Amino acid sequence: GENVEQHPSTLSVQEGDSAVIKCTYSDSASNYFPWYKQELGKRPQLIIDIRSNVGEKKDQRIAVTLNKTAKHFSLHITETQPEDSAVYFCAVSGGNTPLVFGKGTRLSVIA
Amino acid sequence: DAGVTQSPTHLIKTRGQHVTLRCSPISGHKSVSWYQQVLGQGPQFIFQYYEKEERGRGNFPDRFSARQFPNYSSELNVNALLLGDSALYLCASSVQREETQYFGPGTRLLVL
Repeated sequence: GENVEQHPSTLSVQEGDSAVIKCTYSDSASNYFPWYKQELGKRPQLIIDIRSNVGEKKDQRIAVTLNKTAKHFSLHITETQPEDSAVYFCAVSGGNTPLVFGKGTRLSVIA
Repeated sequence: DAGVTQSPTHLIKTRGQHVTLRCSPISGHKSVSWYQQVLGQGPQFIFQYYEKEERGRGNFPDRFSARQFPNYSSELNVNALLLGDSALYLCASSVQREETQYFGPGTRLLVL
C-alpha cells in the first residue's frame, strides 16, 4: 500500500520567514495531493491541493510543488504569521485508493 | 452552507461497551469517509461509503462497522471497545469518491 513520509516533524520559524514542509510517497499511481492544517482541538482544514497534471499551485502566501518523477511534494508558506502555527498534514490518494496521511509537522511561528 | 457535522462531540465509554458515532455530510455530497486520529498522528482511514455502499475499508478489525443512509448521513459503530480505541474519530465528505474531502469537527472517544 501507499507509504507517506513527512519531514520535518517540528519546525520553528521567525515571523515573516518562510516555512517548507516536504512529503514523499511510494505509489506512482497516486494523483491527488492535499495539505491540511489542524489547530489544537479542531478539525483538519484543507488549505491547498494539487493534482498530478500540475507542477505547482499558489494561493496567496501558500504554494505546493509536485515532482512526480521523484515522488515528492512540498508545502511552502511565505511571510509566516503567528496564526500559521498549527500541525500540517500532507496526504496522498489515487484512483480508488483512500487518502493516506503523513504523520504531521508541528509549525511554530515565533513573533 | 453548513459544513460536515458530527455527533456526539465527546464520549466516555468503558472497555467492552459499544459506541455509535454519527455524521451528516455537506449538502450535495454523496461520499462519506471515516478516519481515526490518535494523539500525535495523522488521520488513518477506516471506511469510505458512496451511494450507500462500502467502497473502501482500511486495516481495522471487524469490531468496526459503518453504514450510509439514503440521505447520505452515516454511522460508525465500534463493538467490544478497547483502551486503544481512544481517539478522535473524524468524518469527511466529498461530492464524489475521488473529490476533495472536507472534515467534520470529530468525536473524541475516551475508553476507560
